[in-house]
Amino acid sequence: GQNIDQPTEMTATEGAIVQINCTYQTSGFNGLFWYQQHAGEAPTFLSYNVLDGLEEKGRFSSFLSRSKGYSYLLLKELQMKDSASYLCAVRDRDYKLSFGAGTTVTVRA
Amino acid sequence: GAVVSQHPSRVICKSGTSVKIECRSLDFQATTMFWYRQFPKQSLMLMATSNEGSKATYEQGVEKDKFLINHASLTLSTLTVTSAHPEDSSFYICSAATPDRMTEAFFGQGTRLTVV
Repeated sequence: GQNIDQPTEMTATEGAIVQINCTYQTSGFNGLFWYQQHAGEAPTFLSYNVLDGLEEKGRFSSFLSRSKGYSYLLLKELQMKDSASYLCAVRDRDYKLSFGAGTTVTVRA
Repeated sequence: GAVVSQHPSRVICKSGTSVKIECRSLDFQATTMFWYRQFPKQSLMLMATSNEGSKATYEQGVEKDKFLINHASLTLSTLTVTSAHPEDSSFYICSAATPDRMTEAFFGQGTRLTVV
């Protein structure tokens, strides 16, 4: 099974940087995903890591350390539209995704 | 890119009735589909895993006779909520997977079910 932890809430100022940490314990690691979810909508894919290191996609970057069971999502140049819930999800070898509880990010002007 | 279509997006039904939700993979063959449920301000919880042509595997605590899953083809899985009750009101989301596309998990748009 999976045990995934991430902070409940974070607040940051427009234009700033926010880092959302995720720690996990898993049997059969097969990739880690980050999703953005606005209220009442389905999750939107942000990033995928399966090997250690940093993956950069525009303003969003994601890091993975498999030995530490740790990942973070870095949001740069924050915009008001980035206010949302960010979900860390770990996939196992059966392709099942287990989600963390989500981190609500509030961007203030 | 790959698209998963889920229908309906919203449904309101009377208590005691059944509701069917469809999940289709539009441009790839989904060997496996997953059904999740999300209550307000909570994360997605896996309900069941559906493999084409075989019985679904349900997570602990999910009633298989209440949540009927059918995966008759490589592009369609359905979830039927039988004898719905108000506590079944939730956001249901499907996800499709295929070994050919490992770098992303594809989600449907979700279905908001309200049982009155």
